Amino acid sequence: GQNIDQPTEMTATEGAIVQINCTYQTSGFNGLFWYQQHAGEAPTFLSYNVLDGLEEKGRFSSFLSRSKGYSYLLLKELQMKDSASYLCAVRGGYRGSTLGRLYFGRGTQLTVWP
Amino acid sequence: DGGITQSPKYLFRKEGQNVTLSCEQNLNHDAMYWYRQDPGQGLRLIYYSQIVNDFQKGDIAEGYSVSREKKESFPLTVTSAQKNPTAFYLCASSSPTSGEQYFGPGTRLTVT
Repeated sequence: GQNIDQPTEMTATEGAIVQINCTYQTSGFNGLFWYQQHAGEAPTFLSYNVLDGLEEKGRFSSFLSRSKGYSYLLLKELQMKDSASYLCAVRGGYRGSTLGRLYFGRGTQLTVWP
Repeated sequence: DGGITQSPKYLFRKEGQNVTLSCEQNLNHDAMYWYRQDPGQGLRLIYYSQIVNDFQKGDIAEGYSVSREKKESFPLTVTSAQKNPTAFYLCASSSPTSGEQYFGPGTRLTVT
């Protein structure tokens, strides 16, 4: 079976740093994605990790440890527009394949206060 | 511009009626997906297709049907057998290089 866990809700203030954790137990692993979803809208891609380590992209960074089944999304210099749901998704399938389906966590609703 | 379109954005139906949700992409992606999202929930996979004329059931396929006659199109039919059809439905396609999934704007279906 597949199990992906992330906190349901988090709050932070503008300008702060927040870390959203994701742990996973899946029968196969072929990459981990983070998506941002504003209320009533489609998810948009934030980051992708397939090897251990940190991937940085502007204010957002994502970390992966495959041996621990663990990832986090780090958001720096928070802005009000960062208030959204953040979805962690693990891709199954054959190693090296890009065809595996994604297994999504329930999402972490982040609220940024002024 | 390349992308995924879903129509309509809002759809209302009476219980007992079948309804078909449209999904079209011009990204030249082989793989396409249908998800359902309920309030406070993550995305649950209904059906997916990795190539034309082929598709597989996801985790919650009961009460739904799909077809994939063209690469660009992957319509989803919500049948009267689906017990709780009211939800936000998202269609996606994935890049053959990165596997990243691109999402359409979604269709919010309300069945009363």
